[in-house]
Amino acid sequence: QQQVKQSPQSLIVQKGGISIINCAYENTAFDYFPWYQQFPGKGPALLIAIRPDVSEKKEGRFTISFNKSAKQFSLHIMDSQPGDSATYFCAASRGDMRFGAGTRLTVKP
Amino acid sequence: DAGVIQSPRHEVTEMGQEVTLRCKPISGHNSLFWYRQTMMRGLELLIYFNNNVPIDDSGMPEDRFSAKMPNASFSTLKIQPSEPRDSAVYFCASSLNRGRYEQYFGPGTRLTVT
Repeated sequence: QQQVKQSPQSLIVQKGGISIINCAYENTAFDYFPWYQQFPGKGPALLIAIRPDVSEKKEGRFTISFNKSAKQFSLHIMDSQPGDSATYFCAASRGDMRFGAGTRLTVKP
Repeated sequence: DAGVIQSPRHEVTEMGQEVTLRCKPISGHNSLFWYRQTMMRGLELLIYFNNNVPIDDSGMPEDRFSAKMPNASFSTLKIQPSEPRDSAVYFCASSLNRGRYEQYFGPGTRLTVT
């Protein structure tokens, strides 16, 4: 069963725009929620992560918003750049990691 | 720091052959994870080790798959016999403590079984 549901499957954004990717989870035991970025031919790399005791975390142009009651969290990429074009995975962990299906982001110049 | 090292990077083999994938985790990390990535199924956790001991192998698809971690600096994932549906990218990742902290992924091994 899919423990972490991610949407959309693909996303096209203009340069300078905001990219938003959403995830929902079911297991309330999860206590660590990272986002990974993967470029073609590379392994996933941690982008930003949050724990459920905070509602938002920002690192540069990347922000995680976390809604514990709704069991949802999202990634916002501000001022999206062509170099941000990659596949993004949300995940949830309670000791091991369960990944969402991924979102392929394309930022057009 | 060299990061997680995987070998080979690419492997092409014929159906029925044995395949062994190798991983060297980051020094000092005590948890190691094997993942499989395909277009259809995304990133799947196959097995993970903590302090060289297998903790959860429920993701291993069949008895044809086996994994070992003889010491803290080396792990193998073996497929015997291999089948075309095993074609995927296999990633190894390591972390300080059972995934509660950042997992560092290797570059992956792209396996093609013909």
